[in-house]
Amino acid sequence: KAGVTQTPRYLIKTRGQQVTLSCSPISGHRSVSWYQQTPGQGLQFLFEYFSETQRNKGNFPGRFSGRQFSNSRSEMNVSTLELGDSALYLCASSLGTGRSETQYFGPGTRLLVL
Amino acid sequence: GQQVMQIPQYQHVQEGEDFTTYCNSSTTLSNIQWYKQRPGGHPVFLIQLVKSGEVKKQKRLTFQFGEAKKNSSLHITATQTTDVGTYFCAGPHSGYALNFGKGTSLLVTP
Repeated sequence: KAGVTQTPRYLIKTRGQQVTLSCSPISGHRSVSWYQQTPGQGLQFLFEYFSETQRNKGNFPGRFSGRQFSNSRSEMNVSTLELGDSALYLCASSLGTGRSETQYFGPGTRLLVL
Repeated sequence: GQQVMQIPQYQHVQEGEDFTTYCNSSTTLSNIQWYKQRPGGHPVFLIQLVKSGEVKKQKRLTFQFGEAKKNSSLHITATQTTDVGTYFCAGPHSGYALNFGKGTSLLVTP
């Protein structure tokens, strides 16, 4: 079974631009979560989607948004990029949503904001 | 809010030495998960602990869940260079999300 895929793998943007990242979960997985990883802050939860509905949202500004499609694929969007948005963005899928679900991570999208 | 703290932040050992990382939560956890991230890679699930006082082993790795379900540890016996990476613990957050600790980065020199 193919793993979680994320596109693009690398991205360079300038301040003020917006960006859309894509995530395809493992086949059969209906939950997709997004995390931001930076050296100083570690893995920080952005949001989780299940059956096209946002189930939970982390403590990030409204510039960060996401959505999930009927095939469970998910996108996240960051508008008005700031230098501090430079990070590795990881998507993780799981079979369902719940406190015991194992997260299967994709390779991530490395975003550099100049 | 709930916090998951990990110590140490970094650990440098000689190959063959043992290694332990500790995870502490400010609240009782229903379960705890451990992940490993190799340099340049992504986090990979290692194990989940659910029961109070639970101990699980995977070859040279031993995982423990505290009696009060507020702390956990990962112990690696006789480290190898393949153990290099960052080890994260993660506990469920009140909103179904996983709350990750900041991880312990392990460096093993031959």
